Amino acid sequence: DTGVSQDPRHKITKRGQNVTFRCDPISEHNRLYWYRQTLGQGPEFLTYFQNEAQLEKSRLLSDRFSAERPKGSFSTLEIQRTEQGDSAMYLCASSFVDTYEQYFGPGTRLTVT
Amino acid sequence: GQQLNQSPQSMFIQEGEDVSMNCTSSSIFNTWLWYKQDPGEGPVLLIALYKAGELTSNGRLTAQFGITRKDSFLNISASIPSDVGIYFCAGLVSGGSNYKLTFGKGTLLTVNP
Repeated sequence: DTGVSQDPRHKITKRGQNVTFRCDPISEHNRLYWYRQTLGQGPEFLTYFQNEAQLEKSRLLSDRFSAERPKGSFSTLEIQRTEQGDSAMYLCASSFVDTYEQYFGPGTRLTVT
Repeated sequence: GQQLNQSPQSMFIQEGEDVSMNCTSSSIFNTWLWYKQDPGEGPVLLIALYKAGELTSNGRLTAQFGITRKDSFLNISASIPSDVGIYFCAGLVSGGSNYKLTFGKGTLLTVNP
């Protein structure tokens, strides 16, 4: 399967715990994006990388959130001290440089209890 | 900030009927993308539009980039049960380092066999 993959697909955690999600983009895609989707809403942009560089971050990405793409391949999104309001689907997407077509992974559903 | 308004919010149709949905914005977009999302999965890219007035087809799906660049339309002909899902429009104001998609809230399509 050559699509975007995300791990885990589901995560249940207690408030105050840290969680980390992984995204593996389509190989050869230079750009990688993170979005968050809550029930009844469309995805909302969080951040994106071109190769290793994080080029833009949304105001939604509080200082409890950090994303990395250390070798320009896979990416991780970490949420520290989770809150109930962090419960959402976290989506990763990737694209080639100089195209606007973003391909999404299956998402990680986070539930904070 | 930029907002996309999708209508209708939901549609209930009979198998074989044609479907139309649209997306409007108060801002100009340079690129429009249409996605379909099944429950618990990530959005799947259906059609990408890059030019005002452009009409693009993908099988039974046809999408148009509005002349004003503030709207886009998606039509599905001869609907089938597997068309069920949430359809999202997404716009992008390209240029510089801006590659973030702005999504609408989606149109939920139900097809009765």
